[in-house]
Amino acid sequence: GDSVTQMEGPVTLSEEAFLTINCTYTATGYPSLFWYVQYPGEGLQLLLKATKADDKGSNKGFEATYRKETTSFHLEKGSVQVSDSAVYFCALKDSSYKLIFGSGTRLLVRP
Amino acid sequence: GAGVSQSPSNKVTEKGKDVELRCDPISGHTALYWYRQRLGQGLEFLIYFQGNSAPDKSGLPSDRFSAERTGESVSTLTIQRTQQEDSAVYLCASSLQGFSEAFFGQGTRLTVV
Repeated sequence: GDSVTQMEGPVTLSEEAFLTINCTYTATGYPSLFWYVQYPGEGLQLLLKATKADDKGSNKGFEATYRKETTSFHLEKGSVQVSDSAVYFCALKDSSYKLIFGSGTRLLVRP
Repeated sequence: GAGVSQSPSNKVTEKGKDVELRCDPISGHTALYWYRQRLGQGLEFLIYFQGNSAPDKSGLPSDRFSAERTGESVSTLTIQRTQQEDSAVYLCASSLQGFSEAFFGQGTRLTVV
C-alpha cells in the first residue's frame, strides 16, 4: 500500500544552520504531498503542500519540492531558529483521499 | 466554530470502561479522519470517512474500537473495555473533498488507569 518514509530523528542543529529533512513516498497515481508541524504541547498544523509534480510548497521560510522522478518531498530551510524546534511530519493523500503520515522527525535547534 | 473541535480535551477512565470521543469537523468538510498518537510517537491511522461512502476502517486496532459519523457532521469514536495500551492522544481531522489539506483538532488525551 501507499506509504511515507522520513529520516530518523532527532535532528539537532545550531541556530542559523541549514535544515534538510528527507521524505520519500510510495504511491500509485499522483498523490498530494504535505508537511505538518507539531510544536511542543500543540496540535498539528499544516506547514506547506504541493499537489503536482515540480510544485514547490513554501511557508515561514520552509520549502519542499514535489519530485516525481525520485518520489521525494524533502523539507528545507536556509536558516533555522530556536522557535523551529518541533516535530515535522511528511504526509500524502492518495487516490482514495486517505491521508497517510510518516513517522515524524524531531528537530531541536540550539541557540 | 471555525476549526475542528474535539471533546473532551482530557479523559481519565478506569480499565474496562467504555469511552466515547467526539469530533465536530469544519462545516462543509466531507472527509473526516481519526488518528492515534502515543506519547512521543507518530500518527497511527484509525479510520476515514468520505461523504456517504463506506468508511475505511483498516486502521482500527481491534474490535473494541468503532466509529460513526452522522452524515457530513459529527463523528464519535468509541473504545469498549478500555485497556492501558489505549492511553494516547486521539486526533481528529477534516478536509474538503479530494486532495485538499486536512485540518486537525487539538485532540483528546485519553488516560486509562
